Amino acid sequence: DTGVSQDPRHKITKRGQNVTFRCDPISEHNRLYWYRQTLGQGPEFLTYFQNEAQLEKSRLLSDRFSAERPKGSFSTLEIQRTEQGDSAMYLCASSSYSRQDQHGYTFGSGTRLTVV
Amino acid sequence: AQSVAQPEDQVNVAEGNPLTVKCTYSVSGNPYLFWYVQYPNRGLQFLLKYITGDNLVKGSYGFEAEFNKSQTSFHLKKPSALVSDSALYFCAVRDTASGGSYIPTFGRGTSLIVHP
Repeated sequence: DTGVSQDPRHKITKRGQNVTFRCDPISEHNRLYWYRQTLGQGPEFLTYFQNEAQLEKSRLLSDRFSAERPKGSFSTLEIQRTEQGDSAMYLCASSSYSRQDQHGYTFGSGTRLTVV
Repeated sequence: AQSVAQPEDQVNVAEGNPLTVKCTYSVSGNPYLFWYVQYPNRGLQFLLKYITGDNLVKGSYGFEAEFNKSQTSFHLKKPSALVSDSALYFCAVRDTASGGSYIPTFGRGTSLIVHP
């Protein structure tokens, strides 16, 4: 297992288009998190899953944002009708529910979205 | 509500000198505290945590952090800085009070620059 993988690394899209990002967590981790990071800011929590259940989604930035983890393994984050303000780095992280405070989160390298 | 502050956007230190990166927090109950490091084009990496016990905690790459409850601080330290320590450092806090969040809040980050 090589850690948390995110695809694509970079995405350039035109305003109004839909985009989808994929995250493959560490296989034995049952929790998966999505964060957004803008320049000069720390990671901003968006949503998280425990297995296939989405336990928190009130922090998603608008109803244009949605996430899925259909089989409790990989996850996708979709942004519909993208706006220039959506340009940011989107980070995925995973953890073990029982060990998240002891071992922290494992983050992927992120997907950098640029909306033009 | 939980919050964390990193008062310095940038810390400059000469190689071989001790370094300190500051973090203060606010929680209702007892805090769980974390430090992460982010190298260019990489995801965040977990460095260390304070859960309970000794106020001085040791982590990866020779880093340590001191928990000070009276000052609500959790400063990151290293006795002798290396040029390779140059990176972004993020402090995070989770409030363990009843009703507190399971999701840590991250600070804005501090850029550490170690000069040869």
